[in-house]
Amino acid sequence: EPEVTQTPSHQVTQMGQEVILRCVPISNHLYFYWYRQILGQKVEFLVSFYNNEISEKSEIFDDQFSVERPDGSNFTLKIRSTKLEDSAMYFCASSDRDLEGVTDTQYFGPGTRLTVL
Amino acid sequence: AQKITQTQPGMFVQEKEAVTLDCTYDTSDPSYGLFWYKQPSSGEMIFLIYQGSYDQQNATEGRYSLNFQKARKSANLVISASQLGDSAMYFCAMKGSAGGFKTIFGAGTRLFVKA
Repeated sequence: EPEVTQTPSHQVTQMGQEVILRCVPISNHLYFYWYRQILGQKVEFLVSFYNNEISEKSEIFDDQFSVERPDGSNFTLKIRSTKLEDSAMYFCASSDRDLEGVTDTQYFGPGTRLTVL
Repeated sequence: AQKITQTQPGMFVQEKEAVTLDCTYDTSDPSYGLFWYKQPSSGEMIFLIYQGSYDQQNATEGRYSLNFQKARKSANLVISASQLGDSAMYFCAMKGSAGGFKTIFGAGTRLFVKA
């Protein structure tokens, strides 16, 4: 069964460093997402990406964040200068959105746990 | 604005019994989708079940069923014949037709299945 994969599973970095989190969405999916979950809290939407551009982003997704689909399979989230409060689990998700845009189920990857020291 | 409320931070259930996890939502979107995800201690998010706002029947997927009451804006998850492996965090989520691309999540309910 196809699945979303993410690497690395755990990333430890120093405050102020840049990190890139990588995701390989399900191959026939066209919509890609990043979410984050701070330990013990709810899952929060960061950004959605379609047709090589951001389609929607939350207030969390500020100038420190960027996303890219550098090739036909990878989808990356870059945090330019990490802060302590960026420590969280980051989930990538993908979906094959239907015409009405409602019933697409987003399938999540296993997550990358980012720890900023 | 869209909102998902899960009022049960933790639930206990005896193995082999059924359990209902509550979820209420608020939205002004004319159509929307409701989802349940399971998050075991390993951290991954596993899709369980989907209910569309215009679906006439309640969704079922194996031991999972969704008790959808549109007028009350509730979408409770029912797990029948609980198993030890069902112990996990469960998130209710919603995506609206006018809400753009994002899915919003509730705070979650931690389910403990007792042997």
